[in-house]
Amino acid sequence: GAVVSQHPSRVICKSGTSVKIECRSLDFQATTMFWYRQFPKQSLMLMATSNEGSKATYEQGVEKDKFLINHASLTLSTLTVTSAHPEDSSFYICSASPTSETGYTFGSGTRLTVV
Amino acid sequence: QKEVEQNSGPLSVPEGAIASLNCTYSDRGSQSFFWYRQYSGKSPELIMSIYSNGDKEDGRFTAQLNKASQYVSLLIRDSQPSDSATYLCAVNPAGGYQKVTFGIGTKLQVIP
Repeated sequence: GAVVSQHPSRVICKSGTSVKIECRSLDFQATTMFWYRQFPKQSLMLMATSNEGSKATYEQGVEKDKFLINHASLTLSTLTVTSAHPEDSSFYICSASPTSETGYTFGSGTRLTVV
Repeated sequence: QKEVEQNSGPLSVPEGAIASLNCTYSDRGSQSFFWYRQYSGKSPELIMSIYSNGDKEDGRFTAQLNKASQYVSLLIRDSQPSDSATYLCAVNPAGGYQKVTFGIGTKLQVIP
């Protein structure tokens, strides 16, 4: 089956620093990947759609200059949280699918804590 | 109106019983429907997908789709304590590599 790998699984950083999260499709190529954020006891919130070779599409209310997305290859998308603040602390999850007909597979998620 | 609606629960069922999880969606042209299971602190795991009206069975899980009523459900037979999790209904409104809309999720508790 489709495997999506996400790293790191957990990161603690200081306010004002930047954090990069990687999402890789291990056994398939992904022209499109999705980045979600989930706060405790809340549902998934789509942040942006990552498109290989082109700019990401951000959802309303998501700051593109703060959450930088790079999808430089067919197997790798990265999300960089720039100038992180405590309110950015959350669970960040990526997803992708090998075909347009099947459900999306999620990475294991990254729990970000900004202190 | 929310695009995908679920009762947040919790839904409590005794071990061995059938758990019935329901979901409604607003976009009548939606193409694909999915059920994900999410354990606390973990990312969602795809457990069922359904694309046409009727039932689809996979082990103890049965997904049911009624496009006329814009309704999709998930039945879990012989519920086990390990099934205790939040179940997310997801809808792909347009097909293709489009963003999937998730419901808020229903928390299921299986009581031993």
